[in-house]
Order: sequence, then C-alpha cells, then structure tokens
Amino acid sequence: KAGVTQTPRYLIKTRGQQVTLSCSPISGHRSVSWYQQTPGQGLQFLFEYFSETQRNKGNFPGRFSGRQFSNSRSEMNVSTLELGDSALYLCASSFLAGKETQYFGPGTRLLVL
Amino acid sequence: GNSVTQMEGPVTLSEEAFLTINCTYTATGYPSLFWYVQYPGEGLQLLLKATKADDKGSNKGFEATYRKETTSFHLEKGSVQVSDSAVYFCALSEENEKLTFGTGTRLTIIP
Repeated sequence: KAGVTQTPRYLIKTRGQQVTLSCSPISGHRSVSWYQQTPGQGLQFLFEYFSETQRNKGNFPGRFSGRQFSNSRSEMNVSTLELGDSALYLCASSFLAGKETQYFGPGTRLLVL
Repeated sequence: GNSVTQMEGPVTLSEEAFLTINCTYTATGYPSLFWYVQYPGEGLQLLLKATKADDKGSNKGFEATYRKETTSFHLEKGSVQVSDSAVYFCALSEENEKLTFGTGTRLTIIP
C-alpha cells in the first residue's frame, strides 16, 4: 500500500505570495492532519480534516486554511506569506480520527524569501 | 491541556551502548502513546506505540512501556547502531484530540 504523498517536496516563495500544498493520504484513510515543523517551535498542529469536515484547528492565523476533498486528498493554503512561514509542512493520515495511529508523509519544505 | 516532556538533547552515544530517552506526559484521560523517528531530510516514521497502561510497544530493537502510575513512556534500546542516529519524538493522542508532540531528542551514535 502506498504511503502518504505530499507535493511539491520543495518550494521557494517570496513574501506576500500565497502557496498551496497537497497531500494524498494512504488509501482508505479518511482523516488528514497538517503540522508545521520549525527549529524554534518544533511540531505544531495546524488542522485536521475528517470526511471533508474540519474537526480540529490549531492556533494559527486565518492566513492558514485547508480543505479536504471527497477522495480524502487534502490541500492547505497559506496566503500573504511571511518570512516566519518558512518551515517543513507535514501531512499525516489515519483511518479514523482520534486516537488512531497517524502516518506521516515526507513533508513539503517551504522557504519564504 | 495535554503535554509531553522529553529528555533534552542532544544525546551522543558510542555504538553498542544502551539507550534511554525519557518521556513523561500530562493528559486528562487515557491517551495512546507513540514514539516517532525522523531521519535527516525526511518526515516522521512511527517507531512504536502503546494504547493502554502496561502495554509494551516494540520495533527494531526499541521498546517503551506505558506506565500510567508514573505517566511515562521511556524509549530504550539495548545496543544502538550508527543507523539509529536521528531525532526521536514522543507523542500522545486522546479521543477526538490532536497528536501532541514532545520537543524531540537528537541522537547521534559514534562508531
């Protein structure tokens, strides 16, 4: 079974631009979560989607948004990029939500200049 | 709220040494506990997990036991290898809650 895939793997943007990242979960998984990883803040939860509905949301500004499609694929969007948005963005999927084991993709490394 | 406290790194050991990385947690209910490993330039890989008290998770020579009385989930390995060099994250999740991570412990094994 294929793992979680994320595209693109690397991205360079400039301040003020917007970016869309994509995540395809493991086949059959209906829950997708997004995390931001930075050296200073560590791993921080962005949001979780289950069956196209946002179930949980972390403490990030409204510039960060996401959605999930009927095939469970998910996208996250960051508008008006800031230098501090440079990070590794990780997507994780699980069969159900809650205490289920989450399986992570390789991440998208975003650099904002 | 939930939290995970991990042993501060970095940790440097010689090959074949015994490894312990401490992890304690705070949770309101009965969480599942996880150890994830991150190799350079990669995402997180699940190393092992335990879902209830006294469960022992194990994988690739690593072990951790869910200790409810001490709210701990310490990671151990009897004989580390250079290939074990990575960052290790302890994490927990409760019903309908997000995965909460510790700060990570960087492990370097010297030949």
